[in-house]
Amino acid sequence: DAGVIQSPRHEVTEMGQEVTLRCKPISGHDYLFWYRQTMMRGLELLIYFNNNVPIDDSGMPEDRFSAKMPNASFSTLKIQPSEPRDSAVYFCASTDRTTGGNTIYFGEGSWLTVV
Amino acid sequence: AQSVTQLGSHVSVSEGALVLLRCNYSSSVPPYLFWYVQYPNQGLQLLLKYTTGATLVKGINGFEAEFKKSETSFHLTKPSAHMSDAAEYFCAVSNQGGKLIFGQGTELYVKP
Repeated sequence: DAGVIQSPRHEVTEMGQEVTLRCKPISGHDYLFWYRQTMMRGLELLIYFNNNVPIDDSGMPEDRFSAKMPNASFSTLKIQPSEPRDSAVYFCASTDRTTGGNTIYFGEGSWLTVV
Repeated sequence: AQSVTQLGSHVSVSEGALVLLRCNYSSSVPPYLFWYVQYPNQGLQLLLKYTTGATLVKGINGFEAEFKKSETSFHLTKPSAHMSDAAEYFCAVSNQGGKLIFGQGTELYVKP
């Protein structure tokens, strides 16, 4: 079975540009999470969705960040405008609470560098 | 609120020695507990988890962890370290609502 699929795997962009990260969760999973990993702050939960509805976005750092889940098989995390401090690895993850035993499966990450 | 504390950001062991990575949690509800491993430039992979039932849980690659409610701990162990175990390990807690809160991670170094 395909796991969580993220794109792009690597992106280098200039400060001020818009960045869009994409995620395809595992088919049938009803929860989707966006995490950010940095050396300074470790793994932070940014936002999560249940059945395509945002449940908790308290981890979104500021208004420059937005996330959407238009359907069960696709989500985006957008940063506009991007800043150097946004450089991090962004992970998408998904789970199925009813049958998945609360195991959250992670994608390989999107490595973002803002210069 | 839930939180996780991993004691020691770096742990170094010799190949063949016992691996012990410490994790303490705080939770106001019965927790679900997890250990994930991250190899360089890769995503996170589940090692093992505790939800209910037996407090000693076994995972992949010979790792195991024991849930001790009285100590609010979920330490990860492996009897004999292998060079391939070198990675970063994350302990995490969930309130059964799907949301995972991670510790800061412990980098494991294995010396030949």
